[in-house]
Amino acid sequence: GAGVSQSPSNKVTEKGKDVELRCDPISGHTALYWYRQSLGQGLEFLIYFQGNSAPDKSGLPSDRFSAERTGGSVSTLTIQRTQQEDSAVYLCASSSGWVDTQYFGPGTRLTVL
Amino acid sequence: AQKVTQAQTEISVVEKEDVTLDCVYETRDTTYYLFWYKQPPSGELVFLIRRNSFDEQNEISGRYSWNFQKSTSSFNFTITASQVVDSAVYFCALREETSGSRLTFGEGTQLTVNP
Repeated sequence: GAGVSQSPSNKVTEKGKDVELRCDPISGHTALYWYRQSLGQGLEFLIYFQGNSAPDKSGLPSDRFSAERTGGSVSTLTIQRTQQEDSAVYLCASSSGWVDTQYFGPGTRLTVL
Repeated sequence: AQKVTQAQTEISVVEKEDVTLDCVYETRDTTYYLFWYKQPPSGELVFLIRRNSFDEQNEISGRYSWNFQKSTSSFNFTITASQVVDSAVYFCALREETSGSRLTFGEGTQLTVNP
């Protein structure tokens, strides 16, 4: 079946602009995760959604970052007033339950000029 | 405190050599899960294996094998008879029962297999 998909694959933006990154999880997966991969910080957890429960936002680095998940499926990660340090690859993953293996999408490479 | 340590930043081998990637973890939880992921140049993280803390049995899958030792908090990964297609960054990750579902990743090991 189809894996996790993310769009766009690449995004270049100017400092101060807002960006939206999209993730489509594997069909039927109830849990969805966002991670960020950058040279200085490695792979770091951002946020996690499980079904209708309140999301775990403990990894979001600042209040400029937010995410939502509509209808228990597609998720959008929004970064407001982007900064150069936001440049990274943003990875989305999904799993069939909160204890299960996470499968990752191809990522969105964000470059903030 | 670093919870997952992959001390080998880069490893370079010649095709057909065996290579072991080290992973040392730190946790106070009695229930936890360990993972290995492969990230080829295309960038997508590919799941390789998952182990829970109660299952120390080593596992072999083709040319891949994993050695889980709780006594040394290690979960090492060996590739036998390496191939050029094994070239990638390999990440070890930990999920602790008390940390929800988040994965904590090591820094990764860049493996280059030369023909």
